Amino acid sequence: GNSVTQMEGPVTLSEEAFLTINCTYTATGYPSLFWYVQYPGEGLQLLLKATKADDKGSNKGFEATYRKETTSFHLEKGSVQVSDSAVYFCALSVPGSAGNMLTFGGGTRLMVKP
Amino acid sequence: DAGITQSPRYKITETGRQVTLMCHQTWSHSYMFWYRQDLGHGLRLIYYSAAADITDKGEVPDGYVVSRSKTENFPLTLESATRSQTSVYFCASSETGGEPQHFGDGTRLSIL
Repeated sequence: GNSVTQMEGPVTLSEEAFLTINCTYTATGYPSLFWYVQYPGEGLQLLLKATKADDKGSNKGFEATYRKETTSFHLEKGSVQVSDSAVYFCALSVPGSAGNMLTFGGGTRLMVKP
Repeated sequence: DAGITQSPRYKITETGRQVTLMCHQTWSHSYMFWYRQDLGHGLRLIYYSAAADITDKGEVPDGYVVSRSKTENFPLTLESATRSQTSVYFCASSETGGEPQHFGDGTRLSIL
């Protein structure tokens, strides 16, 4: 079956620090990969995505590269801000699977201190 | 405003009661989804629907019932609530399936 594994949090950083949140996956077929972000009291929002190997998704200073050889999709940001404090979810979808349903990792809480 | 709305935002009920969570979207998306979010499990898919009158089970469907008589609505019913169903429930929609999905703000359900 499909699965996504994320590093456990919380991750606590000071403002302007470098961020890495690790994500690895197992999947049948050729998945598309996603990062979603959840701010307190809100639903999930798509942060970025990549649909094939070596693609780099980017948005709001965040980046992640689809690495097929290591089955990874690590999220990075060069300089975090307090406003980046949220829970981050890695997810995959296998085209052609039932409903193209998303499989989520457990989420990683990021706390950024001023 | 266009979007996806869930109601109620908060609900407290007792074991054995029936409770229905509502979800409404204004984009006319074909696909709609129900997830539950529990600590340590991330989001798990309960049911999804590919179109009106078409629904299918996800990863954790037991104890839940869905219907989709209209494209814009996708209610989730707990026919006889149990404490293990205490969770935060999210509805989502997408135009073509798994990507990208637009999420509602969630319903926090507590079953005493």
